[in-house]
Order: sequence, then C-alpha cells, then structure tokens
Amino acid sequence: ILNVEQSPQSLHVQEGDSTNFTCSFPSSNFYALHWYRWETAKSPEALFVMTLNGDEKKKGRISATLNTKEGYSYLYIKGSQPEDSATYLCAFMTTDSWGKLQFGAGTQVVVTP
Amino acid sequence: ETGVTQSPTHLIKTRGQQVTLRCSSQSGHNTVSWYQQALGQGPQFIFQYYREEENGRGNFPPRFSGLQFPNYSSELNVNALELDDSALYLCASSPGLAGGRGEQFFGPGTRLTVL
Repeated sequence: ILNVEQSPQSLHVQEGDSTNFTCSFPSSNFYALHWYRWETAKSPEALFVMTLNGDEKKKGRISATLNTKEGYSYLYIKGSQPEDSATYLCAFMTTDSWGKLQFGAGTQVVVTP
Repeated sequence: ETGVTQSPTHLIKTRGQQVTLRCSSQSGHNTVSWYQQALGQGPQFIFQYYREEENGRGNFPPRFSGLQFPNYSSELNVNALELDDSALYLCASSPGLAGGRGEQFFGPGTRLTVL
C-alpha cells in the first residue's frame, strides 16, 4: 500500500446497530495514526491519535485499534445513533514527514432511525 | 479557548485571479498546516508553517504560497487560479513540533470556487 485507503466508502446503519470500518496505510516509517470525525458544515474533530502497535482507544461508544506491522486500523461504533452520522477520516504520519498528515478519502456513515 | 477560525467561508473567483485565505490558529499553537480537499478526496497537505518559517511542503506548485505572522495566524495565497483549484481549503493548528503525537486542530474551511 502506497497511500491511505479507507473502506467502505460509505455505510448505512440502522440506529442501535454496531458497525466498523477500515483504514489501511503503509507500514514503513510509521509514526502516528489519527482518526477524525467530520460532520457536515463543521470542522473535522479529532477522535484518536494512536502511535503504538496494538493500541486500543475508546471514547464513549466509539473505539479504535491499531496494527502497525500490517498497516491497518479499525474504527468501531457500538449501538449507532443518528448523531454518529458523519464522515470518518483516518490520516497517518511518518517519521520522516512529521506534521504532514496523509489522509484517506473517508468513510461516510449514515445512521437512520 | 478560541478554536481555529478561517475566513472567508466561501469565495468565488475566476480563472487567472489571485486569492488569499486566512486562518487564526488556536491559542498557544505556533504551527499551522494547510490542506486542500477536492471533491470526493481526502484532504491533501499543501504546506506547514512553524514560527513563521515554511516547514514542509506537499506536491503543490509554487503558485501556492503562504505566510505565518508573529501572532501565528496564517495566510494561503494562490496565484493564477485554475479550475482545478476549486476545493475546500482547511487550516489546522498544532502546539509545536517538539514532542506530542502530531495532533492537529482544524478550522471549518474555506470553500473556493473557480469559474
């Protein structure tokens, strides 16, 4: 993998269901992996910054895992609510380009009541 | 604590014109990064400024230039606008290069349309 890839591109989820999606990134020179939630007409909001292989982070019903050796991260939403509807972006940073976030195209999540 | 603000919110220009976008960083942050998000894509890194000096640049031509001021606010200038420059321009600030995990705090963006 040369760039950040996110899948799926979009996701429709029923309220109350749980879901997850993937971010794949190059595993060489890894420094950090960021997840952002971006609601329409708002600023991207940082969810997690993960740096260590095996890292697991949790914020309310949202959690993320990181595998730096194979170059992927999963984001999980448990018991989805309509307010979880947003585009979720992941971005990675390498040791030789600190400060430069390389973003995926995002996964758009729509939660319907 | 005031977050990152950007102005203007929207802008319409014609090909060949020049544009200046502005960003005020979050209080206490001395690093500003600019990103371009074209339709259907993730944000692409344009450049970063740290203490008024450019500190890294993405794959953008020289007609994209920037400035950072002593109060750490920043400007993005684009000369000779092209249709493909139509995009959302995001500014992000962070509390410096030393240490940390590269956390960046984003503004809401400026939507530029080039006709």
